[in-house]
Amino acid sequence: QLQLQESGPGLVKPSETLSLTCTVSGGSIYSSRYYWGWIRQPPGKGLEWIGNIYYRGSTYYNPSLKSRLTVSVDTSKNQFSLRLSSVTAADTAVYYCARRTMGAPDAFDVWGQGTMVTVSS
Amino acid sequence: DIQLTQSPSFLSASVGDRVTITCRASQGISSYLAWYQQKPGKAPKLLVYAASTLQSGVPSRFSGSGSGAEFTLTISSLQPEDFATYYCQQLNSYPYTFGQGTKLEIK
Repeated sequence: QLQLQESGPGLVKPSETLSLTCTVSGGSIYSSRYYWGWIRQPPGKGLEWIGNIYYRGSTYYNPSLKSRLTVSVDTSKNQFSLRLSSVTAADTAVYYCARRTMGAPDAFDVWGQGTMVTVSS
Repeated sequence: DIQLTQSPSFLSASVGDRVTITCRASQGISSYLAWYQQKPGKAPKLLVYAASTLQSGVPSRFSGSGSGAEFTLTISSLQPEDFATYYCQQLNSYPYTFGQGTKLEIK
């Protein structure tokens, strides 16, 4: 059974870089059927799609974050990562990694449990 | 960006009720719409994809319909475990966007 697990610091200082890793277990990240994505949710608010990456490395970013965002993949470790630079309090959120399946089901069908990241000095 | 507007934002209902949530897109998205259920402190769970296809393992009391720019999620007979927040998401084009959510509460 495929599982995703986010990891990274829970506290980041303003203006610094937020770095998270998603480890995929129970399946391979090296597949043409899937994209791998990041979604976040500020406390008490709705969901925001951050970006996707394909196993070959092609990326798709939310324009609202694009200038600060880097998503990368390491197929040898079965992981993909997010880096968000110059963070502010507005970046405080639960960050989820998820699998986006192409075809059936055509959606984010497997999610990590999420990790809370607080931006504060 | 494609905007998704859900209505209502809050819904109070009783066990056994039939409820419908609507999701309207700012432009046509064919059938590239998914519905998720989220409970407090948990990750979203996929319920419906391609507007009307039930994800494996999801109870048949859930159903989705629509295409183009207007979509609905219906729960035919509410069960206690259905009280949660529901989100629609469009996957027609980047950037993917979500509706603002519909919080379903017990009356």
